Amino acid sequence: DAKTTQPNSMESNEEEPVHLPCNHSTISGTDYIHWYRQLPSQGPEYVIHGLTSNVNNRMASLAIAEDRKSSTLILHRATLRDAAVYYCILRDSGAGSYQLTFGKGTKLSVIP
Amino acid sequence: KAGVTQTPRYLIKTRGQQVTLSCSPISGHRSVSWYQQTPGQGLQFLFEYFSETQRNKGNFPGRFSGRQFSNSRSEMNVSTLELGDSALYLCASSLAPGSGTDTQYFGPGTRLTVL
Repeated sequence: DAKTTQPNSMESNEEEPVHLPCNHSTISGTDYIHWYRQLPSQGPEYVIHGLTSNVNNRMASLAIAEDRKSSTLILHRATLRDAAVYYCILRDSGAGSYQLTFGKGTKLSVIP
Repeated sequence: KAGVTQTPRYLIKTRGQQVTLSCSPISGHRSVSWYQQTPGQGLQFLFEYFSETQRNKGNFPGRFSGRQFSNSRSEMNVSTLELGDSALYLCASSLAPGSGTDTQYFGPGTRLTVL
């Protein structure tokens, strides 16, 4: 799988928007961009995914650059429950395998 | 719908012993993957099973093995435990055959401590 680069940590004030960046300059045309997060003492949970267009769901929004070499996960109003490690992962649509390759992720701290 | 369940949640073993961890996927999910999480190495893929067949395996020694049953439940086994095997072992299940859009649902993990 192609590699992603994320900042090690970020901070946000509660109830403010958070923009978590991810660089994936070697992304291929068949790679989907997935985001998972891991809350303390829990297993990772799926957040959102996209291919080319921006995506929204109840948890977050995903903004994908036009050249697809970067993307941004947007939490519209951070809550204390959003404090977690966020992972940006590329999934090859033709891989036929469920394997997720996790990087170090971004540890998000939310300040009350 | 019940989530992914893993048993036991906590386990303490000594070096040289073997251990078996169990995972029950979400009802209807036929694919199960296992991951190891340590502070130093992060989350690393162990193996993946679909319809009782191992489809993919990560870079781990042969002491790590697994299997999947006809009801999609899965077990992983670690033989001759080493101190470095202390980790959180996570199981994840998926619904459909692998594609770029599939998502995985993780269990809470089994915390293994090797003394």
